[in-house]
Amino acid sequence: GDSVTQMEGPVTLSEEAFLTINCTYTATGYPSLFWYVQYPGEGLQLLLKATKADDKGSNKGFEATYRKETTSFHLEKGSVQVSDSAVYFCALSGSGGSYIPTFGRGTSLIVHP
Amino acid sequence: EPEVTQTPSHQVTQMGQEVILRCVPISNHLYFYWYRQILGQKVEFLVSFYNNEISEKSEIFDDQFSVERPDGSNFTLKIRSTKLEDSAMYFCAGQQVVNEQYFGPGTRLTVT
Repeated sequence: GDSVTQMEGPVTLSEEAFLTINCTYTATGYPSLFWYVQYPGEGLQLLLKATKADDKGSNKGFEATYRKETTSFHLEKGSVQVSDSAVYFCALSGSGGSYIPTFGRGTSLIVHP
Repeated sequence: EPEVTQTPSHQVTQMGQEVILRCVPISNHLYFYWYRQILGQKVEFLVSFYNNEISEKSEIFDDQFSVERPDGSNFTLKIRSTKLEDSAMYFCAGQQVVNEQYFGPGTRLTVT
């Protein structure tokens, strides 16, 4: 079945550091790929998405590129802020005709001033 | 901006008791979902609901679970006889456009 693998957390960075959170996936067909963010005490919010190979999703300074050849969708940000501290979930959907998302385990990001 | 709301934010119940978790999705959404997240683990799909009936459900969603949307606004998840392993965060989500889901803040269920 479909699966999403994310790097283990927590990821701890200083403010203005460069962020990469790795995500790889296994799926049949051509899924859409997503990053969701969960701030403390809140639900998941869609951060960005990409629906086909080589698409780049971007939002709030975060970017991720749909790489079919490496089955990856790594999340990057050039300069993180304390307010970016949250849990980040990589997900896919649309594989095999189902639109139910498959989520990764989540990666906690902690940004220190 | 409209948002999905869930009540209560935290529910504590004894094993064997029934619980009902409530969600109010965004009004123009058509597809509704319940997910759960056991502490430290991944978000797991439970059930999807469209046109007043279940469209998909996972293996987790057994006979102890039920969903309904009785009045066109509230979307509820009922667990008939809770078990310790039902302790988790439960998230409701709604969807209008295919692939884009909007999540509520979650209900933390603690079964003692």
